[in-house]
Amino acid sequence: SQQGEEDPQALSIQEGENATMNCSYKTSINNLQWYRQNSGRGLVHLILIRSNEREKHSGRLRVTLDTSKKSSSLLITASRAADTASYFCATDARSGDMRFGAGTRLTVKP
Amino acid sequence: DTAVSQTPKYLVTQMGNDKSIKCEQNLGHDTMYWYKQDSKKFLKIMFSYNNKELIINETVPNRFSPKSPDKAHLNLHINSLELGDSAVYFCASSQVQSSYGYTFGSGTRLTVV
Repeated sequence: SQQGEEDPQALSIQEGENATMNCSYKTSINNLQWYRQNSGRGLVHLILIRSNEREKHSGRLRVTLDTSKKSSSLLITASRAADTASYFCATDARSGDMRFGAGTRLTVKP
Repeated sequence: DTAVSQTPKYLVTQMGNDKSIKCEQNLGHDTMYWYKQDSKKFLKIMFSYNNKELIINETVPNRFSPKSPDKAHLNLHINSLELGDSAVYFCASSQVQSSYGYTFGSGTRLTVV
């Protein structure tokens, strides 16, 4: 079964704006990860945040985690056309593998 | 060097055929996975192998069978293909307790006609 659910399903913004995507999950986790998928390509790991962390940064990416609300957000600042892609959150299942949502499709218009 | 490579990239075949998709990783990871991505972009775990041992087997039809000749390879064999098997199949690998997440291959688009 799916674990993470991203919101919104699709997001369209202008270059230079910030993009915020949210992820909700249902069961307790050890870590939560965000991935990017360009059209026709495999997923690329962006960032991992552990359950005892609340915020993490990597370049223009900022991830927050609220375990009490079972939610996470991914913020991309100063977006670029090259950020156009689908973004997935994934959480670790009891079986040890990562479970993914259906993703948020981000379009950044130049 | 491609970290996780899977072949073929595209596969078009008729219903009822048997086909295999190959996957190899050169990262020295100890676990490999197969995921299926449907037309709505849902990614569903199918199998994972750790040290040649199957540790996950979701509710996947037994027409699908993973084969791992060694730690660097996890192939997916599919018998009696059906129209509903059409999807993109991704291979991935990871190292336990790593902060670097999964490394995915570029996918195999399977079309059953």
